[in-house]
Amino acid sequence: EPEVTQTPSHQVTQMGQEVILRCVPISNHLYFYWYRQILGQKVEFLVSFYNNEISEKSEIFDDQFSVERPDGSNFTLKIRSTKLEDSAMYFCASSDSRAGGSPLHFGNGTRLTVT
Amino acid sequence: AQTVTQSQPEMSVQEAETVTLSCTYDTSESDYYLFWYKQPPSRQMILVIRQEAYKQQNATENRFSVNFQKAAKSFSLKISDSQLGDAAMYFCAFRNYGGSQGNLIFGKGTKLSVKP
Repeated sequence: EPEVTQTPSHQVTQMGQEVILRCVPISNHLYFYWYRQILGQKVEFLVSFYNNEISEKSEIFDDQFSVERPDGSNFTLKIRSTKLEDSAMYFCASSDSRAGGSPLHFGNGTRLTVT
Repeated sequence: AQTVTQSQPEMSVQEAETVTLSCTYDTSESDYYLFWYKQPPSRQMILVIRQEAYKQQNATENRFSVNFQKAAKSFSLKISDSQLGDAAMYFCAFRNYGGSQGNLIFGKGTKLSVKP
């Protein structure tokens, strides 16, 4: 069964550094998402992306964050200047439709640790 | 704003027994979808079951079934004949019916342990 893959599985970075998290969505999917989960807290929506532009974003997704689909397969999340509070699990997801019933397929996540 | 609440941080069940995980939500919408996702130690979030709010019939997927009470805004997950592989974090999630909101809203999760 096709999967969403994320790399790396764990990223350690120093505060103030830029980090790029990478995702390869399922090949025939058109809608892409990033979520994050701070340890012990809820999984939170960050951003959705379709047709090479952001469809929706949450309050968390401020100017420090950006997303890009640099080629036909990758979908990236960039954090320009990481803060300690950016430490979390980051999940990429994709779906073939934005209809409410269309399930999101998630990757295994990237654990980001900011020191 | 919609919210999803899972009041049980941890649950435990004996292998082959039945367990029910609770979820309540708050919304002013009448059409929406509800989901249960499973997150095993491998960390991948796997869709377990989905319920359309406009359907009165409770969804069922093999050993997994839901008790959807729309008026009470309750959406519990029942796992029958529990297996060791069912041990995981379980997340309840809400999503609007199309429209302007495409994102999922998750609860905090319930950690399920299965005892042999």
